[in-house]
Amino acid sequence: GAGVSQSPRYKVAKRGQDVALRCDPISGHVSLFWYQQALGQGPEFLTYFQNEAQLDKSGLPSDRFFAERPEGSVSTLKIQRTQQEDSAVYLCASSLVFSYSADTQYFGPGTRLTVL
Amino acid sequence: AQTVTQSQPEMSVQEAETVTLSCTYDTSESDYYLFWYKQPPSRQMILVIRQEAYKQQNATENRFSVNFQKAAKSFSLKISDSQLGDAAMYFCAYRNPNTGNQFYFGTGTSLTVIP
Repeated sequence: GAGVSQSPRYKVAKRGQDVALRCDPISGHVSLFWYQQALGQGPEFLTYFQNEAQLDKSGLPSDRFFAERPEGSVSTLKIQRTQQEDSAVYLCASSLVFSYSADTQYFGPGTRLTVL
Repeated sequence: AQTVTQSQPEMSVQEAETVTLSCTYDTSESDYYLFWYKQPPSRQMILVIRQEAYKQQNATENRFSVNFQKAAKSFSLKISDSQLGDAAMYFCAYRNPNTGNQFYFGTGTSLTVIP
């Protein structure tokens, strides 16, 4: 596709509900990243995939957060039993390769999650 | 741990003038990469410019240039001939291939361009 897309763009959840956020990376991009951006802050790393393999999940804040990329393209970030502190914009980014470390990350528009 | 500091929460510049956004970072590594990203109100982050730490020459992309001072761990962004479309949040980011896959972002600088 033309760029990284994310859906939904906005999500309102009641505390305790489960949510699923989708990311469609640029076609052919090997690497996929998830970030959490709280209001007024910079993005913070959550997790990283190389193809279908989740190579780094050190940034996931709790075991309520789960991410997958089963076929190496589309990825889903799932948050179980949402809490108010989960309210943030969730950004997805993809890059063509990993080995070239200065490789540009292309970001999606984000999903703004509000937990009431 | 790597940290990135942007000490200017907000900056403003007159259209056609030049503005410099500051960024400092903390690392004990010698090989790393630095980036400036722009985030307009639509929220899609866009790469502005990047710098490899092993390169002494400052990166330049049209009206955007950096002043990379490795010893001082400083990485400022200069925007020349500012345009209304430059108004956005600007984030400085650091990446070290040897210590993980993540980018470390600063807290951002909100740039206003005054017509």
